[in-house]
Amino acid sequence: AQKVTQAQTEISVVEKEDVTLDCVYETRDTTYYLFWYKQPPSGELVFLIRRNSFDEQNEISGRYSWNFQKSTSSFNFTITASQVVDSAVYFCALTLRAGKSTFGDGTTLTVKP
Amino acid sequence: KAGVTQTPRYLIKTRGQQVTLSCSPISGHRSVSWYQQTPGQGLQFLFEYFSETQRNKGNFPGRFSGRQFSNSRSEMNVSTLELGDSALYLCASSLDRGQGEAFFGQGTRLTVV
Repeated sequence: AQKVTQAQTEISVVEKEDVTLDCVYETRDTTYYLFWYKQPPSGELVFLIRRNSFDEQNEISGRYSWNFQKSTSSFNFTITASQVVDSAVYFCALTLRAGKSTFGDGTTLTVKP
Repeated sequence: KAGVTQTPRYLIKTRGQQVTLSCSPISGHRSVSWYQQTPGQGLQFLFEYFSETQRNKGNFPGRFSGRQFSNSRSEMNVSTLELGDSALYLCASSLDRGQGEAFFGQGTRLTVV
């Protein structure tokens, strides 16, 4: 069975600080996909990034960056120079090739002005 | 293009009743997945439909069921409602199964009294 652990339940930072959200996953499958989603107060989950298990390249998109390390089964997400609008719940998710998805419990990020 | 549409947005039902929730995926998307989100259990996978067939099912009792129509629209049904079924039900659509970016609707907030 697969599992996704987001150990940080809540994080609070001051605007312009950098913050890293941790995600550790477990699966016996060799083919899988990792995702990060943002859930603002409005409720819908907003897709941020997808990584497949064969692509360990890190990625940077503006202030967002992701570090995927298969050796430690981690897929961490860093926000550089955080802004108040980054305040949301962030979910890490693992999807197997067969389509079944498992989400972490989410990390609530609060960015204070 | 239009996003994922879930109806209704809010619903109040009484214990023992049954409820049907609707999800219209993004045009051209063939995969629809349903999730239940509660404060205590987080985001849990309910089921995935692709080409009108249920492809995956989460660990929910048989009271939870669903279907997908030929136009990819999907419905989920919960019979004999219990207080613990109160949750935000999210629908996600994607082009294909599992691997791609999933677009989420804003959810249906179900309250069972």
